[in-house]
Amino acid sequence: NAGVTQTPKFRVLKTGQSMTLLCAQDMNHEYMYWYRQDPGMGLRLIHYSVGEGTTAKGEVPDGYNVSRLKKQNFLLGLESAAPSQTSVYFCASATGFVKTQYFGPGTRLLVL
Amino acid sequence: AQSVTQLGSHVSVSEGALVLLRCNYSSSVPPYLFWYVQYPNQGLQLLLKYTTGATLVKGINGFEAEFKKSETSFHLTKPSAHMSDAAEYFCAVSDPRAGTALIFGKGTTLSVSS
Repeated sequence: NAGVTQTPKFRVLKTGQSMTLLCAQDMNHEYMYWYRQDPGMGLRLIHYSVGEGTTAKGEVPDGYNVSRLKKQNFLLGLESAAPSQTSVYFCASATGFVKTQYFGPGTRLLVL
Repeated sequence: AQSVTQLGSHVSVSEGALVLLRCNYSSSVPPYLFWYVQYPNQGLQLLLKYTTGATLVKGINGFEAEFKKSETSFHLTKPSAHMSDAAEYFCAVSDPRAGTALIFGKGTTLSVSS
């Protein structure tokens, strides 16, 4: 039982490049989330999904797209990376009435 | 709308001293409240949560928090700090409008000196 895993762990992009971050969970959770963490800002919600095939925007969705084609995977895409997207990205999944969230180890992204 | 305020971005204590990390929240519905800890270069780990019922909640590693509705607070405490408690701590409230996503405070870095 690996919990929540994220791929890759670290990536450097040039401005304008695209990439996809992969989040996978093996706990059969319905809900999944993508957050970004910036110094002094805490974590902010980018997008979330309440089930396979569904996605919704969070607090800071601009410049990102997501897909949830399989229940266990939640992909975060950057179509044209910008330096402002330099951040640490965390994925989480949740279950239960309270929807307690379990976090992955994070992906560090540097956009030059 | 839900929001979380953590008072003090940095707290320093001596080993063996009381740890008190402050969190105030705003919520339009009865809140679910959480404390998470983040060690350097790691993900977030759940310390404890409040849903309903008993207002004093015990978590892992000797931490506890008390939900005070009248003060809209959920402060985190530990009677005796250990060096291993040095980390960043986040208070969060669940947002029922956004798939119960978490709204986080900006975090408090705890330093423990010997």
